[in-house]
Amino acid sequence: EAGVAQSPRYKIIEKRQSVAFWCNPISGHATLYWYQQILGQGPKLLIQFQNNGVVDDSQLPKDRFSAERLKGVDSTLKIQPAKLEDSAVYLCASSLAPGALRSYFGPGTRLTVT
Amino acid sequence: SQELEQSPQSLIVQEGKNLTINCTSSKTLYGLYWYKQKYGEGLIFLMMLQKGGEEKSHEKITAKLDEKKQQSSLHITASQPSHAGIYLCGADPFGGSNYKLTFGKGTLLTVNP
Repeated sequence: EAGVAQSPRYKIIEKRQSVAFWCNPISGHATLYWYQQILGQGPKLLIQFQNNGVVDDSQLPKDRFSAERLKGVDSTLKIQPAKLEDSAVYLCASSLAPGALRSYFGPGTRLTVT
Repeated sequence: SQELEQSPQSLIVQEGKNLTINCTSSKTLYGLYWYKQKYGEGLIFLMMLQKGGEEKSHEKITAKLDEKKQQSSLHITASQPSHAGIYLCGADPFGGSNYKLTFGKGTLLTVNP
């Protein structure tokens, strides 16, 4: 079974630039999550999708972050414009359903904002 | 909101030694997840505990959820270099699902050969 795929794996940008991350969940997984993990911290949930609808985006900084999952499969997370404090690992995870006992994480995208 | 405190923050052990990592919650734990993370990789699911007093094992790793359901411990027996990484506990505030997990800051484990 293929795992959760993310790209790019690493990205370095200057502040005020834009960046986009892509995630392809495990086939058949209806629920998709984006987490932000700042160095030395645990992951923090940014947004949760159920198919192509947003279930929870209460911790997403909506003035600069946006995410979509148009066809209920792949998802993109965008930051525009980036700030220094956005430097982090962005993790995508998926699960069969919101009530599933576990989710599966991708390898993450490490973003450095200079 | 629920907060998780992990201790110790980091740990260095010699190969073959046993070790314990603790995760203490500010609220009752309805579901407690343990994940392992290696640099440059995503989180690897280890186990999930729901019931007070529950104990689960996977290979040389054992996790327990105390009776009062506010603390969990992860114990590694006869540690190996392959056990090195960051161990994260995550709390499920609703019980029985992985929805909206809150994570601790992690414990960095180094195992010296």
